[in-house]
Amino acid sequence: ETGVTQTPRHLVMGMTNKKSLKCEQHLGHNAMYWYKQSAKKPLELMFVYSLEERVENNSVPSRFSPECPNSSHLFLHLHTLQPEDSALYLCASSQEQGPRPNEQFFGPGTRLTVL
Amino acid sequence: QKEVEQNSGPLSVPEGAIASLNCTYSDRGSQSFFWYRQYSGKSPELIMFIYSNGDKEDGRFTAQLNKASQYVSLLIRDSQPSDSATYLCAVCMYSGGGADGLTFGKGTHLIIQP
Repeated sequence: ETGVTQTPRHLVMGMTNKKSLKCEQHLGHNAMYWYKQSAKKPLELMFVYSLEERVENNSVPSRFSPECPNSSHLFLHLHTLQPEDSALYLCASSQEQGPRPNEQFFGPGTRLTVL
Repeated sequence: QKEVEQNSGPLSVPEGAIASLNCTYSDRGSQSFFWYRQYSGKSPELIMFIYSNGDKEDGRFTAQLNKASQYVSLLIRDSQPSDSATYLCAVCMYSGGGADGLTFGKGTHLIIQP
């Protein structure tokens, strides 16, 4: 596979469930990101990982928990979500300190519905 | 609070004409600027980036940056129906040296009329 992949592509969960979103990048990048895209709102940055360390947490509720075990994989663990958390969750990656910094490539996204 | 403003549209342009998309940003520390295209139901796709004042051309696309006016634009020449999409403007505070998240506008919905 090439580029940035995300699984699952669609997820429906109840408010008491625990689930995880997975992202994998095949671009040799060393930075990964989670964004949230809700209807009628701009893309919102959630988390930034650089060299597997979290460098930014944009005031995200603790019911979202990221994990970056290595530079190719990123997870978003979900628990006790609210209906307003329903959105498209996008993963992106970039090459830090390269000739084209901050150029971020997005995966296809996970469409999350919380009932 | 970093903000990026775009006219949400829809912007309707006849096929073959020039589509002009505009974006303003609030943070004077912003250093790198990106245009993404997003088709309905798809994820954003990077089409242009610009770091310096002036124009940057890539095929039918031209990005223009004016840091003094805090203004970025995207011109699409010879517009095609396949250019119909939402165009997202994104800015980043640092030009390099670290991983930084992007601040996005809400996007402009562009419709190319055949």
